Amino acid sequence: QQQVKQSPQSLIVQKGGISIINCAYENTAFDYFPWYQQFPGKGPALLIAIRPDVSEKKEGRFTISFNKSAKQFSLHIMDSQPGDSATYFCAASNTGNQFYFGTGTSLTVIP
Amino acid sequence: EPEVTQTPSHQVTQMGQEVILRCVPISNHLYFYWYRQILGQKVEFLVSFYNNEISEKSEIFDDQFSVERPDGSNFTLKIRSTKLEDSAMYFCASSVMLSYNEQFFGPGTRLTVL
Repeated sequence: QQQVKQSPQSLIVQKGGISIINCAYENTAFDYFPWYQQFPGKGPALLIAIRPDVSEKKEGRFTISFNKSAKQFSLHIMDSQPGDSATYFCAASNTGNQFYFGTGTSLTVIP
Repeated sequence: EPEVTQTPSHQVTQMGQEVILRCVPISNHLYFYWYRQILGQKVEFLVSFYNNEISEKSEIFDDQFSVERPDGSNFTLKIRSTKLEDSAMYFCASSVMLSYNEQFFGPGTRLTVL
C-alpha cells in the first residue's frame, strides 16, 4: 500500500520560475508532513515541515500548502535557482517517528 | 556543524553473508533510525531505537535484521544472511527528541549483494 503519492517524478524549471511538487496521502491519522531535499551522494535533509493545524507554512522561498480535506499537500519553491536542483521527498507520519516517504521528484533548474 | 557519519560508504558482499553497517549519530541525540532506499525508489523506514530498545519497526525489518548500540557512540544495523533484494542505500538518522522532531540523515552506505 502506497501511503504517500508524489508527483511529478521529474520537473524542469527555468531559473526564477516557480517549482511545484504535489503529494497526497491516505491515512487521516497522519499529523506531520515534512519535506526533505537530497543532493547526489548525500542523505536527505529536512527542508520544511507542517502540522495539519495550519494551511500554509513559509520559510524563505519555500512554502508548504496543506489541504486537510483533500488530503493533499504541496511544496512551492519561488524564484527557483540552479542550486535548488536536487531530489525532493515529501513524507508523512502519525507518530513523528516512522516516516512514510513519497517516491521523490527530481528537480532541475535551468540557468 | 555536527553530522551523522556512516561507514563504509560502499559495501559489497556475497548473498548469504552477514554485514554490519555502522553509524555514528550526532552526539547529543537520543533517538536513532535506519532507513533504506532501493535504487530509484522511495526512502523506506526500517526501525527506530531509543534507550537501547527498538521503539518502532516496519514490516521490512524482519528477523534477519538487528540493531545495536554497542558503545556510547556507534549505532549498527546487522543483516544476518543477505539476499539480492537487500541491495540498497541504507541511511542512518538521529534526532534529539522522538516525536515531530527533525531527523538528521547520514550520507548512507550503499550495499551491493552479489
